[in-house]
Amino acid sequence: SQTIHQWPATLVQPVGSPLSLECTVEGTSNPNLYWYRQAAGRGLQLLFYSVGIGQISSEVPQNLSASRPQDRQFILSSKKLLLSDSGFYLCAWSGEHTGELFFGEGSRLTVL
Amino acid sequence: GIQVEQSPPDLILQEGANSTLRCNFSDSVNNLQWFHQNPWGQLINLFYIPSGTKQNGRLSATTVATERYSLLYISSSQTTDSGVYFCAGGTSGTYKYIFGTGTRLKVLA
Repeated sequence: SQTIHQWPATLVQPVGSPLSLECTVEGTSNPNLYWYRQAAGRGLQLLFYSVGIGQISSEVPQNLSASRPQDRQFILSSKKLLLSDSGFYLCAWSGEHTGELFFGEGSRLTVL
Repeated sequence: GIQVEQSPPDLILQEGANSTLRCNFSDSVNNLQWFHQNPWGQLINLFYIPSGTKQNGRLSATTVATERYSLLYISSSQTTDSGVYFCAGGTSGTYKYIFGTGTRLKVLA
C-alpha cells in the first residue's frame, strides 16, 4: 500500500534562517506531488505541485521554493524565513492517472 | 481559477443530531473530495466523489456535478466528529485541488 511521510513534524526557526521540509511517498511511482500551507484557523493554500522529476509549478509568489530531486521525493525550502512563513505545511500526493489526494502528517513551522 | 464555497462556516450540534454540510464550486470539477481535519491537524480522507452518492457508516456524500455542488451528511453525530471539514475540487488536466475554507464542527456531549 502507499504511504506518505513528511518531516520534521515541528520546527521553530528564527527569522532569516533557512528551511528544508522533506516529503517522501512509498508504494507508487510517478505520483503527482503537492505542498499546501495552512495558516492558523484558515483553509489550505496550494503552494507548489509537481507532475514529474524536476517539474515544479508555483501557485503563489513567495519566499519559498520546491524541488523534486527523485520521483517520490518533494522538498520545500527557503533561504531566509519570514515571520509570515509560519504555518502548517502539508505534503500530498495523487496517482499519475487518478485524482484522489492523500496527505502526510504535516509539519508545523513557527518563525520567531 | 475555481472558487470553492463551504457552508455553514461553523456548526454546533448536540451528540446524536444530524447535519448537512454544503460545498459549491464556481466551475465544473472532475475531482472532488471531502476531508476531516482532526484536532492534531491530520487530514483524513472521507470521500472521493466527483459524482453520485457514497456512504460510509454514519457519513454519506452526494455530488451533483451538473449543478456544481456536493453535500456531506453526518448522522447521529458523536463528539469524535468534531473538527474541520473541507471539500476540495479540481480538474484532472490542471492537477490542482482547490480547497474551501472549511466548516468547523463542534459536537457537544
